[in-house]
Amino acid sequence: AQKVTQAQTEISVVEKEDVTLDCVYETRDTTYYLFWYKQPPSGELVFLIRRNSFDEQNEISGRYSWNFQKSTSSFNFTITASQVVDSAVYFCALSVFYGGSQGNLIFGKGTKLSVKP
Amino acid sequence: DTGVSQDPRHKITKRGQNVTFRCDPISEHNRLYWYRQTLGQGPEFLTYFQNEAQLEKSRLLSDRFSAERPKGSFSTLEIQRTEQGDSAMYLCASSPAKNIQYFGAGTRLSVL
Repeated sequence: AQKVTQAQTEISVVEKEDVTLDCVYETRDTTYYLFWYKQPPSGELVFLIRRNSFDEQNEISGRYSWNFQKSTSSFNFTITASQVVDSAVYFCALSVFYGGSQGNLIFGKGTKLSVKP
Repeated sequence: DTGVSQDPRHKITKRGQNVTFRCDPISEHNRLYWYRQTLGQGPEFLTYFQNEAQLEKSRLLSDRFSAERPKGSFSTLEIQRTEQGDSAMYLCASSPAKNIQYFGAGTRLSVL
């Protein structure tokens, strides 16, 4: 069975602080994909990043960076110099395409990030 | 590319009534997924279509739920004899092949 755990329910920071959102996943499959989505108050899930299990290279996109470590089954997300517009709920998700699964996303419970001015 | 569209955005109904939601995926996306999200939780998978074929259903999809995707274009999700426990956000996502899923804004259902 697959599972995603986001232990941080809520995080509050002051603008310009760096913040890291943790994600730990469980799967027995060797081929899988990991995702981060952002859900602002409007409700629509916005795709941020996808990584496959064979690519452990860290990625940076502007103020966002992701650290994928298979040894600890973690896929953490860091926002550098946070801004008020970063306030949202962030979801980590996992998908596999084997064993009858058709790639549906398994989500964590999300981390609500509040960035105060 | 106009994104995934869902209609209605909000639906209020009385317990026992039937409701139907519509999802228009991004054109040429052959994969379509339905999810349900309750307050404070992450979305949970309900069902999956590849073109017009419904290939996977979650155990969450009780007998009162039915989904269709005629002609592999838009999809509908119907809930019969709604219960208060059905109150949730219903999200639709589409993707091309085994790729990133793009979500619509969702339909928020309130069952009174």
